[in-house]
Amino acid sequence: DAKTTQPPSMDCAEGRAANLPCNHSTISGNEYVYWYRQIHSQGPQYIIHGLKNNETNEMASLIITEDRKSSTLILPHATLRDTAVYYCIVRVSETQGGSEKLVFGKGTKLTVNP
Amino acid sequence: GAGVSQTPSNKVTEKGKYVELRCDPISGHTALYWYRQSLGQGPEFLIYFQGTGAADDSGLPNDRFFAVRPEGSVSTLKIQRTERGDSAVYLCASSLFGGALYNEQFFGPGTRLTVL
Repeated sequence: DAKTTQPPSMDCAEGRAANLPCNHSTISGNEYVYWYRQIHSQGPQYIIHGLKNNETNEMASLIITEDRKSSTLILPHATLRDTAVYYCIVRVSETQGGSEKLVFGKGTKLTVNP
Repeated sequence: GAGVSQTPSNKVTEKGKYVELRCDPISGHTALYWYRQSLGQGPEFLIYFQGTGAADDSGLPNDRFFAVRPEGSVSTLKIQRTERGDSAVYLCASSLFGGALYNEQFFGPGTRLTVL
């Protein structure tokens, strides 16, 4: 699976948008971009995924560049409960020659400040 | 509905002992995954089950680690002759099925294993 690069930490003010970048310059054409987050002492939680198009759900938006070499997770109105480690993962499914496992890096520690 | 549950939440054992960690996936989920997470690191894949069979066990570190899922639901991770380096949080996840183009994995809260 392609590797991803994320900043180790970021800060955001409560109520403001949090923009978390991820670089995946070696991503292949059929690899999806996934974002998970892990709140302290909990298991990781799925946020969103995308292939080419920008995606939005009730938790966040995912912006993928046209060349797919990077993406940004946007939390539009960050709250204190959004303080967590955010992981960007790229993966292609087993049926397409990849693997079902998720390969986590160290992620970005987002701290939302009051 | 109920999420993924793991028992025990904490396990303290002595070096050389045998431990079993249990995972109850979300009902109806055919795929089950084990990961472990050391302090300050992201989760590391151990093994993936599709139904009763281990479809990918490439992450098991050595033959002291073994996992089963005899009826395609509950899974047990077994560690023999535990070592201090096995201390970590062991996470279980499940998904509706494996092999999909995209696949959301639902994680349990983990079992914190401490080997003294």
